[in-house]
Amino acid sequence: GQNIDQPTEMTATEGAIVQINCTYQTSGFNGLFWYQQHAGEAPTFLSYNVLDGLEEKGRFSSFLSRSKGYSYLLLKELQMKDSASYLCAAKDSNYQLIWGAGTKLIIKP
Amino acid sequence: GAVVSQHPSWVICKSGTSVKIECRSLDFQATTMFWYRQFPKQSLMLMATSNEGSKATYEQGVEKDKFLINHASLTLSTLTVTSAHPEDSSFYICSASSLTGGDTEAFFGQGTRLTVV
Repeated sequence: GQNIDQPTEMTATEGAIVQINCTYQTSGFNGLFWYQQHAGEAPTFLSYNVLDGLEEKGRFSSFLSRSKGYSYLLLKELQMKDSASYLCAAKDSNYQLIWGAGTKLIIKP
Repeated sequence: GAVVSQHPSWVICKSGTSVKIECRSLDFQATTMFWYRQFPKQSLMLMATSNEGSKATYEQGVEKDKFLINHASLTLSTLTVTSAHPEDSSFYICSASSLTGGDTEAFFGQGTRLTVV
């Protein structure tokens, strides 16, 4: 079956760095997405990886290893507003998004 | 990025009534729209995929007669929850795609919080 695994919850300190890991098993692969979701709101797009390597976008970076079925989202210089759930999603061979359960990130002062 | 507008953002209805949720793509033509449901502290669950002008494809376990989806134009899809019950209370989110899934981003509506009392 298809599966996305990511930690349920993580805690980090304001100004620090945190890495959220995601492993995926899908029928085919057409890209790995990271979304941020604040409670009661729709997800907002953060990043897309389809080739191996690191994609950097400001304070956020995303890494992909297709051979390992592994991705991570790296958040630098954490701010209180980064407290949210971070959803990992992979597109399968039918271009359908398979969603992880999300990682709740708690930022402490 | 592209804009998807979902309406209403929240609705409270009585058990047994029907509720319609609209999803509009404002600045692009959405050939495919996806409807998701999200219960508290859970991930997004795909309910159905609809292509403009054709019948929606429902995921296993989703009752197509209860969750009516219409995608009559390239800019509008609607989800109607018929004979709603308290267990249908959830956060419903639509997303739109301009191609048949090949986009590098999914554009989401704001979501609709449905509470059935």
